Amino acid sequence: GESVGLHLPTLSVQEGDNSIINCAYSNSASDYFIWYKQESGKGPQFIIDIRSNMDKRQGQRVTVLLNKTVKHLSLQIAATQPGDSAVYFCAETPMGYSTLTFGKGTMLLVSP
Amino acid sequence: NAGVTQTPKFQVLKTGQSMTLQCAQDMNHNSMYWYRQDPGMGLRLIYYSASEGTTDKGEVPNGYNVSRLNKREFSLRLESAAPSQTSVYFCASRPDRGHSDNSPLHFGNGTRLTVT
Repeated sequence: GESVGLHLPTLSVQEGDNSIINCAYSNSASDYFIWYKQESGKGPQFIIDIRSNMDKRQGQRVTVLLNKTVKHLSLQIAATQPGDSAVYFCAETPMGYSTLTFGKGTMLLVSP
Repeated sequence: NAGVTQTPKFQVLKTGQSMTLQCAQDMNHNSMYWYRQDPGMGLRLIYYSASEGTTDKGEVPNGYNVSRLNKREFSLRLESAAPSQTSVYFCASRPDRGHSDNSPLHFGNGTRLTVT
């Protein structure tokens, strides 16, 4: 099976809990940030993005928070469901760059 | 729309064999990318093509070549496969409508390659 989850930090939560996944970045020039979800055997799937002129953006059950001062990004998932179990990656880039830099990922395990 | 389609889904090669991984997107995107994903290493960029007719090296280009055949298709070639190239390979695309635009990458579901 898929082994992308080996050696990853893991967050284990109960169904219905809220989950917070964190990401630190190092490039102070980065001004566009993305969260991806990757389920076993599939490619990364876009969840939500945020530009540096915002510090919070909400989607359906997800919220991304950006703290540029400490170069930190977080993804909050409300009322976590077993279907949310996956590896979550952050990605960042300076505006206008062709390439993204990806974090190593966090595995989220949701127990029923 | 199918999005980003990769073929084959699985492949086993012997050391020294060659093969081409195919990728096509039907979203009229300008930029296309090839990544490899290894346990504990995250996604690492091999090559990318910012527009039709251009290609550039990424973080880990050694042992690979690419061709941007047209706007839709971007292939990755391993001329002489090595066990270190055992990995999951992902193709991605994004619109890149201009310097001030940023947009997320759209990924295919990967090719799982084993080199023995």
